[in-house]
Amino acid sequence: EVQLVQSGAEVKKPGESLKIYCKGSAYNFANYWIAWVRQMPGKSLEWMGIVYPGDSDTRYSPSFQGQVTISADKSISTAYLQWARLEASDTAIYYCARFQGDEQKGEVFDYWGQGTLVTVSS
Amino acid sequence: SYELTQPPSVSVSPGQTARITCSADALSKQYGYWYQQKPGQAPVLVIYKDIERPSGIPERFSGSSSGTTVTLTISGVQAEDEADYYCQSADSSNNYVFGTGTKVTVL
Repeated sequence: EVQLVQSGAEVKKPGESLKIYCKGSAYNFANYWIAWVRQMPGKSLEWMGIVYPGDSDTRYSPSFQGQVTISADKSISTAYLQWARLEASDTAIYYCARFQGDEQKGEVFDYWGQGTLVTVSS
Repeated sequence: SYELTQPPSVSVSPGQTARITCSADALSKQYGYWYQQKPGQAPVLVIYKDIERPSGIPERFSGSSSGTTVTLTISGVQAEDEADYYCQSADSSNNYVFGTGTKVTVL
């Protein structure tokens, strides 16, 4: 069964850096895009960006361009989301999701990680 | 980008039918997708390409599309269907958008 397992919860101070991960299994990780999605407390979902592990092609939502870095290492089936300097407003749950962009399923996030809670507080 | 508008809440009695709408001009050209999110859990895909149901999703979940609106219908609602539901689509620049979310309460 396809699984995406994310790193554990983090508590950080403003200005600190952070890198969280998402490890895929039971499918060819290199051949599917991985997206990152933010969910702030009590709010809807926001697409942040997407990476293709096969060649590390990366695209960002205009709202998150320059704010985060998305990357992947296909050799260990892992995608990453990182911040250089966290702010309190980055407090949220961050989900990774496999993106299926083909004729059969369209443009859909078909499998999701369990989420990583990031808390930024002084 | 654009916004996908959903009603904030829908209340329904067990066994009745819940309908959740999602509206945006872009939906006349793009497919709609639906996710269910229960408290403390990750979203789960329940409908893709407007009307298709992934394997493992109960038949009581169905989708439809008309003009600029896509609709998720839950027929014969059960207590376990109480959750937040989000629609999703894409824009012409391959950006992906989620709806504002609808909380379904089973009375």
